[in-house]
Amino acid sequence: SAVISQKPSRDICQRGTSLTIQCQVDSQVTMMFWYRQQPGQSLTLIATANQGSEATYESGFVIDKFPISRPNLTFSTLTVSNMSPEDSSIYLCSVGGTGDTQYFGPGTRLTVL
Amino acid sequence: AQSVTQPDIHITVSEGASLELRCNYSYGATPYLFWYVQSPGQGLQLLLKYFSGDTLVQGIKGFEAEFKRSQSSFNLRKPSVHWSDAAEYFCAVSRGGADGLTFGKGTHLIIQP
Repeated sequence: SAVISQKPSRDICQRGTSLTIQCQVDSQVTMMFWYRQQPGQSLTLIATANQGSEATYESGFVIDKFPISRPNLTFSTLTVSNMSPEDSSIYLCSVGGTGDTQYFGPGTRLTVL
Repeated sequence: AQSVTQPDIHITVSEGASLELRCNYSYGATPYLFWYVQSPGQGLQLLLKYFSGDTLVQGIKGFEAEFKRSQSSFNLRKPSVHWSDAAEYFCAVSRGGADGLTFGKGTHLIIQP
């Protein structure tokens, strides 16, 4: 499986600011996804990061709040914009591997004060 | 829309005892089914997956799961648990390909000495 890294691993931010999370994969992958895990909750898909085109967002998530970039087949960023305490979550990227299996990065733990 | 139900929020098992974690899904066709484990402060690790074929699938760490179409279930089992199995377990479903994962709410496994 691919080796996936995320930066930063954690951060504490002030409300109203923005944070960009990076996801780096050690091999080229077609599919990359971003998920949110709110405290004590399950994972929810935010969007699919498409290389060369706009991300595809799930219901309840919008581009203005969670802009995503996918400049190439090994890298993606997720920005959490105009943050509020409700955005405090773990944000995880995943990549599609062989056989439609998804592998996850270690996550970014975000706390918004 | 697809959905996943994990009816047990918490399960406590004695070390060395057998384990079964329940997962029911709702999906119109044969889904792609997954079990992931999340240890405290860690990312998600894939335990096993089912796409087609043999309905009993073997995974890592001695886990297995059985797909039962008639019951729309994909229960996870382990014959003898170890203290290191204490973690959060998530069942997930997808349609495969470019589709993201839909997760259940998770089952928190506690191991008693």
